[in-house]
Amino acid sequence: AQTVTQSQPEMSVQEAETVTLSCTYDTSESDYYLFWYKQPPSRQMILVIRQEAYKQQNATENRFSVNFQKAAKSFSLKISDSQLGDAAMYFCAYRSGNYGQNFVFGPGTRLSVLP
Amino acid sequence: NAGVTQTPKFQVLKTGQSMTLQCAQDMNHEYMSWYRQDPGMGLRLIHYSVGAGITDQGEVPNGYNVSRSTTEDFPLRLLSAAPSQTSVYFCASRIQIYSNEKLFFGSGTQLSVL
Repeated sequence: AQTVTQSQPEMSVQEAETVTLSCTYDTSESDYYLFWYKQPPSRQMILVIRQEAYKQQNATENRFSVNFQKAAKSFSLKISDSQLGDAAMYFCAYRSGNYGQNFVFGPGTRLSVLP
Repeated sequence: NAGVTQTPKFQVLKTGQSMTLQCAQDMNHEYMSWYRQDPGMGLRLIHYSVGAGITDQGEVPNGYNVSRSTTEDFPLRLLSAAPSQTSVYFCASRIQIYSNEKLFFGSGTQLSVL
């Protein structure tokens, strides 16, 4: 079974600075997808970024980018120019390829943004 | 489109009571799922469905039942609530068209079992 680990329960960053959230996963599969989801206090789950394992290029979405290291099974999220609205719980998630539809989520990292 | 609608948003039960958490989506998604969220454990899959009439167990199915009589609805039933079922519950539906996929979440149900 796949597992997702986030070793940082809490992180903080100064507004306008850069922060990196860590995620590691364990799988024996070669085809899979990785995600970062954001959960603000409203409890809404918001997709931040998606990475296909077969792509070597790291995904980016505006201020959000990932560092995907397939051999090390590492998938970190970098948030540049942090904003107060980035404060939230961040979940790393894994989904199998080959018609897999279920997601495995990590325990989450709570990010605080300091003004 | 309303997206994924969950009701109720909050619920308090006594041990042994039963209840149904409702989940409905109006996007004609085949895949629907239920997760529970507990501090320090992320979201864990309870049950999922890949279409009307088809359901299967996830990681933590004990104490929960589901059914899928229509594409739109995917209710989660607690037959005899226990304090260990105190959690926040999320319903989600998913669509994938080629490489474009999206997971839609409901707004969650905060359940307390006393």
